[in-house]
Amino acid sequence: KAGVTQTPRYLIKTRGQQVTLSCSPISGHRSVSWYQQTPGQGLQFLFEYFSETQRNKGNFPGRFSGRQFSNSRSEMNVSTLELGDSALYLCASSFAPPSDGSEAFFGQGTRLTVV
Amino acid sequence: ILNVEQSPQSLHVQEGDSTNFTCSFPSSNFYALHWYRWETAKSPEALFVMTLNGDEKKKGRISATLNTKEGYSYLYIKGSQPEDSATYLCASNYGGSQGNLIFGKGTKLSVKP
Repeated sequence: KAGVTQTPRYLIKTRGQQVTLSCSPISGHRSVSWYQQTPGQGLQFLFEYFSETQRNKGNFPGRFSGRQFSNSRSEMNVSTLELGDSALYLCASSFAPPSDGSEAFFGQGTRLTVV
Repeated sequence: ILNVEQSPQSLHVQEGDSTNFTCSFPSSNFYALHWYRWETAKSPEALFVMTLNGDEKKKGRISATLNTKEGYSYLYIKGSQPEDSATYLCASNYGGSQGNLIFGKGTKLSVKP
């Protein structure tokens, strides 16, 4: 079956702009989580969605937002981009939320560079 | 703030060597421990999800143990192969508002042929 698809794979944006990243989960999965990885840091949790509801939110500023649609696809948006937002953004899908112990399957990520 | 620690940060071994890594996590309100393998230019791949104290899981040459009372998990690789070269991540999760996965920074394994 098809895996988790993230688009775009690579993105270059200018400071102050906004960006939207997309994640299509594995068919049948209703949970999508988002993570940020910056050099030297572990994966930092951004959001967790299940059946269009945000269940958990990480410690990120309000410029970071997300949503999940009825088909389980998810988007995350970052407004007023800063240089420090340059990172690999990973999305993971699972049948149930990983916070319930469900195995999560990751996409290949979107590499965002802010210049 | 909950913190997950992994050691060592990196490891270089010869093909055929057996090796192990450690993941330490807060044991209070613990729910589950996840291990992932992340090869360069690929997606993180789930290895194990473990919940019970004393749990042991195995997948081929890779196995893991869990001690929830003292808050640690070991990942073992028997007879390392070059294709085992990857970063191995562990993540724990807890109940309620801390239900999301909290990742360690990983152990980067390099296996020389």
